[in-house]
Amino acid sequence: DTEVTQTPKHLVMGMTNKKSLKCEQHMGHRAMYWYKQKAKKPPELMFVYSYEKLSINESVPSRFSPECPNSSLLNLHLHALQPEDSALYLCASSRGGVVISYNEQFFGPGTRLTVL
Amino acid sequence: KQEVTQIPAALSVPEGENLVLNCSFTDSAIYNLQWFRQDPGKGLTSLLLIQSSQREQTSGRLNASLDKSSGRSTLYIAASQPGDSATYLCAVRYGQNFVFGPGTRLSVLP
Repeated sequence: DTEVTQTPKHLVMGMTNKKSLKCEQHMGHRAMYWYKQKAKKPPELMFVYSYEKLSINESVPSRFSPECPNSSLLNLHLHALQPEDSALYLCASSRGGVVISYNEQFFGPGTRLTVL
Repeated sequence: KQEVTQIPAALSVPEGENLVLNCSFTDSAIYNLQWFRQDPGKGLTSLLLIQSSQREQTSGRLNASLDKSSGRSTLYIAASQPGDSATYLCAVRYGQNFVFGPGTRLSVLP
C-alpha cells in the first residue's frame, strides 16, 4: 500500500475560523511533510517531521501550526488565515532513516483550501 | 542558493512521438532526484527516483538519467500517449529539504 490520504478534500473557511487538515499513511514511513502549492506553481516545502519531531520549518507564519501525534498521522492546524493562504495543501511521506538517498516521497491528493 | 529549473515550460506533441524533458539544478550535492507527474488539481504521482550514485532509472516507457557533475537530469518518454498529458515536475533532495522545479506542461494530441 503506497497511499497517503488527506482529509478533507476541500475546505472553505473565514479569516476568523480555526480548522485542521489531516494526513495519514500506513507504510511505516517515519518522515512526513507539508507542502503548499499555489496555482500553476511548484509545491513549496512548509514543514518536515522526522521520527515525529519537527526537523524543518521553512519560516512559515505561526497561523499554521503542525502536529505529529504519532508515526502515521500528521495534522496542520489553521487559525486566522488570510485570503492569500488559499492554495492546495499537500502532504507527503518517505521512509526516513539514515540512508535517505533512496527515500522516495509519496504524496497525498491534497486539500484545496479557500480562505474568504 | 539551490535552484531547480525545467525546460521547456510547455510542450505539445502528436501522439506517438518520443520526447525529452529537462531538469537542471545549481547545487550538485544532491541525495536524489525524483520525477513526478501532476494532473490538474490533483496530488503528485511519483514516476522515478534516481539516487545520487545512479546514472539512470527505467520504468516502462519512461527513462530518467542523472548527470550530477553537470547538474542535469532528463526524463525520456517513449511513444507518447494522450494519457501522458500532465505537468511533469522534478524534485531535488538536499538532506531533509526538497526543491522542486517549476514543471513542464505536456499535451499529447490524439
